[in-house]
Amino acid sequence: SYELTQPPSVSVSPGQSASITCSGSKLGDKYTSWYHQKPGQSPVLVIYQNSMRPSGIPERFSGSNSGNTATLTITGTQTMDEADYYCQAWDSSTVVFGGGTRLAVL
Amino acid sequence: EVQLVQSGAEVKKPGESLKISCKGSGYSFPNYWIGWVRQMPGEGLEWMGIIYPADSDTKYSPSFQGQVTLSVDKSISTAYLQWSSLRASDTAMYYCARIPVAASHFDYWGQGTLVTVSS
Repeated sequence: SYELTQPPSVSVSPGQSASITCSGSKLGDKYTSWYHQKPGQSPVLVIYQNSMRPSGIPERFSGSNSGNTATLTITGTQTMDEADYYCQAWDSSTVVFGGGTRLAVL
Repeated sequence: EVQLVQSGAEVKKPGESLKISCKGSGYSFPNYWIGWVRQMPGEGLEWMGIIYPADSDTKYSPSFQGQVTLSVDKSISTAYLQWSSLRASDTAMYYCARIPVAASHFDYWGQGTLVTVSS
């Protein structure tokens, strides 16, 4: 079965840029989406189709996808961005989520 | 405004059956796939399956095939997730979420239904 691999945790200082990676075989050939989830809340879509931002998502969130790796970048990270982040893609008519990355803003 | 409103928390015993719901509003419910996602305590997101309300076309994750049943009543814009015999390992938060037309992501999510299975 297809797997998406994310680092368990990423730390960033406020105001700096954070990058969270998501790796999978030929992931660049698929659309990747990203969600963040704060404690006790439902996931929220932050990036879809590799690099598109839904309305209401700040411009500091951006995405890219090439080769075997998709990357979510948060430029000028704020303390409110501290959350779990999940990548998601489709493979053979099934939805796959990455294991999640906890972003700590320290 | 698009909303997915899920049924309330449930506490069940092992072996009992359960059906939880997800009611959509603010959009044409039959024409958007609805997915279900499990999140066990302290763990990540796991895709369970999706259903297309217009014709009840359903796709299950291999991990959940045979373990749960997805259904829908499009007349009341409601999708369901059900178990015939719960196990303690089914204890988790369950989310429904919508997939936009011809898209590959979940754009709106329900608030989640917490299912606790304990003797």
